[in-house]
Amino acid sequence: GNSVTQMEGPVTLSEEAFLTINCTYTATGYPSLFWYVQYPGEGLQLLLKATKADDKGSNKGFEATYRKETTSFHLEKGSVQVSDSAVYFCALSEVSMEGSQGNLIFGKGTKLSVKP
Amino acid sequence: EPEVTQTPSHQVTQMGQEVILRCVPISNHLYFYWYRQILGQKVEFLVSFYNNEISEKSEIFDDQFSVERPDGSNFTLKIRSTKLEDSAMYFCASSGFGTSGGAPYNEQFFGPGTRLTVL
Repeated sequence: GNSVTQMEGPVTLSEEAFLTINCTYTATGYPSLFWYVQYPGEGLQLLLKATKADDKGSNKGFEATYRKETTSFHLEKGSVQVSDSAVYFCALSEVSMEGSQGNLIFGKGTKLSVKP
Repeated sequence: EPEVTQTPSHQVTQMGQEVILRCVPISNHLYFYWYRQILGQKVEFLVSFYNNEISEKSEIFDDQFSVERPDGSNFTLKIRSTKLEDSAMYFCASSGFGTSGGAPYNEQFFGPGTRLTVL
C-alpha cells in the first residue's frame, strides 16, 4: 500500500542554520506530494505541494522537489528562524486521471526546534 | 480567505457517551474528510465523504463512527459510545478539485481541530 516515511525527530538547529527533513514515499499511480506544518497548539497548514515529477514546491523560504527516480520529497530551507519551530508532516495523495479524490497519507512528523 | 471551522475546540466526555464533532467546510468544496491525531502520533485518515455518502473509510472508522452532512453546510462526526482510546485531536478537511499544470491534484484545507478527551 501507499506510505510515507520521514526522518525521525526531534531536530534542533540554531537560527540561520540550513534545514533538511527527508521524506520518501511508496505509491502506485500518480501521487501528489505535500508538506504540512503544525505550529504548537494549532491545526495543520499546507506549507507547499508538488503534483508531478520534477515540480518544485516553495513557500516561506521552504522548498521541496518531487523526485520520482528516488521517490523523495525532501524539505529544505536555507536559513531557519525561531518562528519555524513546529512539527512538519510529509504527505501524499493519489488522484486518478479522472479526478477522483484520495485521502492524505501522512508521515509520522518531524519536530523542529530552532534556538536563537 | 475562506477557511474550515470546527466546533467545539475542546470536548470532554465520559466513556460510553455519544459525542458529535462539528465542521463547516469551505462553501464551494465537494469533498469532506475526517482525520485524527492521537497525542504525539501521526495524523490518520478516518473517512471521506462525497455526494452525500462515504467514499472511503479506514479500518479505524468502525460501527461506532458515523458522518453526516445534515443541512448542506455542516459536516459532522459522531462517535456513538466513546472509549478512552478515542481521545485525540480530530481534524476536518475539505477540498475542491482541479488541476495544477495539467495534472490532477487534491488540496485539502484543514480546520483547527477539536480536542476530544474521554475520561
